[in-house]
Amino acid sequence: QLQLQESGPGLVKPSETLSLTCTVSGASISSSTYYWGWFRQPPGNGLEWIGSLSSGGTTYYTPSLESRVTISVEKSKNQFSLRLTSVTAADTAVYYCARQRWELLPEYNYFDPWGQGTLVTVSS
Amino acid sequence: DIQMTQSPSSLSASVGDRVTVTCRAGQTISSYLNWYQQKPGKAPKLLIFAASSLQSGVPSRFTGSGSGTDFTLTISSLQPEDFATYYCQQSYSNPYTFGQGTKLEIK
Repeated sequence: QLQLQESGPGLVKPSETLSLTCTVSGASISSSTYYWGWFRQPPGNGLEWIGSLSSGGTTYYTPSLESRVTISVEKSKNQFSLRLTSVTAADTAVYYCARQRWELLPEYNYFDPWGQGTLVTVSS
Repeated sequence: DIQMTQSPSSLSASVGDRVTVTCRAGQTISSYLNWYQQKPGKAPKLLIFAASSLQSGVPSRFTGSGSGTDFTLTISSLQPEDFATYYCQQSYSNPYTFGQGTKLEIK
């Protein structure tokens, strides 16, 4: 059974870098069938897609965060990571990782399953 | 960015009711529309992908329909465990965007 688990500091100071890791179990992160994604949800608010990573290492990001975000893969550990630089209080959120399945024929592109999420607070 | 607009924002209903949530995209997204259920303190759970395909393990009382710009999620007979917040998401183009959510509450 595929499971994802986020990990990383729960508190980050303003202007510093937020770093999170998603550990995948039950499937190989190297599988060409899958992509892997990051999301966030500020407390009491809706969901925001941050970016995705293909098994081959291709990344694509939401334009509003593209200048500050990096998603990378650690195949030997079956993990992928999120780095967000120059954080502010607006980056306080629960961060989720998820597997992405994307096919052109038939057409679908969805995220499932998701990790349980980890709360990151930006505060001095 | 493609704006996704859900309605209603909140809904009160009783066990056994049939409920429908609608989602409108700001431009055509073909069938690249997913529905997620989220309970407090939990991660989103995929219910429907590609507008109308039921994810494995999801009860058949959940159905999705639509294409282009207008989509619906219908729950045929509400069960106690269905009270949650529901989000639509377009996965047609970057950035993937969500509706603002529909909170389904017990009447």
